[in-house]
Amino acid sequence: DGGITQSPKYLFRKEGQNVTLSCEQNLNHDAMYWYRQDPGQGLRLIYYSQIVNDFQKGDIAEGYSVSREKKESFPLTVTSAQKNPTAFYLCASRPPDLNTGELFFGEGSRLTVL
Amino acid sequence: GDSVTQMEGPVTLSEEAFLTINCTYTATGYPSLFWYVQYPGEGLQLLLKATKADDKGSNKGFEATYRKETTSFHLEKGSVQVSDSAVYFCALRGLTGGGNKLTFGTGTQLKVEL
Repeated sequence: DGGITQSPKYLFRKEGQNVTLSCEQNLNHDAMYWYRQDPGQGLRLIYYSQIVNDFQKGDIAEGYSVSREKKESFPLTVTSAQKNPTAFYLCASRPPDLNTGELFFGEGSRLTVL
Repeated sequence: GDSVTQMEGPVTLSEEAFLTINCTYTATGYPSLFWYVQYPGEGLQLLLKATKADDKGSNKGFEATYRKETTSFHLEKGSVQVSDSAVYFCALRGLTGGGNKLTFGTGTQLKVEL
């Protein structure tokens, strides 16, 4: 079945460690996105990529990094520079039809800093 | 910049009650508007959308009408079920900035009881 797979579903990190969240899609979508979800704040955009080997910062990119070496993959690294990394992270992709605007989401990865 | 304001939750209703979740937006021009739903522990799924003024989006008994004059996109359902318990997000795709990004509201948690 086509979809977006995020892993791991749960991740625990010690302060000062970098962690990488995986996002893979087999929908053949060009555009991919990373959002962060916190209680009472909705979803905030971290990074997005419209095409392979290209990505742009979203609203809260500080302390995060991404790569887009393959169309199917858009991993997110949460670095030690991110001051408050405990959150629920959602990866999404968008179909090529620009008129829809619809995003397809993965099931999310919950990161907890110990 | 673009913004979305939703009524705060949680909203608790009895089964078969009428549901309204208010959503208003600020954006330039005529953005596309969306409602997404998030069931516990999962990612977001598109519930319905409207791409121009006076359009009505509908799905699974839910409806929302794009009101340009009041910049609103309120979600309604005539008779809620326990299975509708979830978090509902209003979102817009603006016309400014690149990347076809979505701006989300803070989400409204709905709990339906027997």
